[in-house]
Amino acid sequence: GDSVTQMEGPVTLSEEAFLTINCTYTATGYPSLFWYVQYPGEGLQLLLKATKADDKGSNKGFEATYRKETTSFHLEKGSVQVSDSAVYFCALRAGGYQKVTFGTGTKLQVIP
Amino acid sequence: NAGVTQTPKFRILKIGQSMTLQCTQDMNHNYMYWYRQDPGMGLKLIYYSVGAGITDKGEVPNGYNVSRSTTEDFPLRLELAAPSQTSVYFCASSYSSPRQGRNTGELFFGEGSRLTVL
Repeated sequence: GDSVTQMEGPVTLSEEAFLTINCTYTATGYPSLFWYVQYPGEGLQLLLKATKADDKGSNKGFEATYRKETTSFHLEKGSVQVSDSAVYFCALRAGGYQKVTFGTGTKLQVIP
Repeated sequence: NAGVTQTPKFRILKIGQSMTLQCTQDMNHNYMYWYRQDPGMGLKLIYYSVGAGITDKGEVPNGYNVSRSTTEDFPLRLELAAPSQTSVYFCASSYSSPRQGRNTGELFFGEGSRLTVL
């Protein structure tokens, strides 16, 4: 079945550091890939997405590129801020199905 | 816009009690979902619905029931609560265009309902 594997957290970075959160997936066909972010006490919200190979999703300084050859969708940001502290979820939706499969989430803490 | 609204936000149940988590959305989305979030486990799909009158099981449906009598509402019923159902529950919705045959992919989440079973 479909699955998403994320790097274990928590990840602690200093402000202005470079961020990478790894995500790999297993799916049939050509899935759409997503990153969701969950701030403390809130529900998840979409951060960015990519729907086909080599697409790059971007939002709020975050980027992720859909790599079909390595089945990966790593999240990156060049300079993190304290306000980026949250839990980040990688997710996929495969084929025509409406079910979205989530990774276990990676907690990011940015310290001043 | 209210988006996806869940109630209650917090609830403590005794073992064996029953309750309903309410979820309503005002975006006219045809798809709705219930997930549970356990620490370190990500989100697991409990049930989902592709439209009024249609529901289907997700990964972890045991101990839960749902109904979808209207487009807006998708309540989750817990019968005979057990400690294993202690979790944070999220309702979500999304839109699919019949003409395109696929949805935009984006899920819109409620703020969550924290349930503790003692």
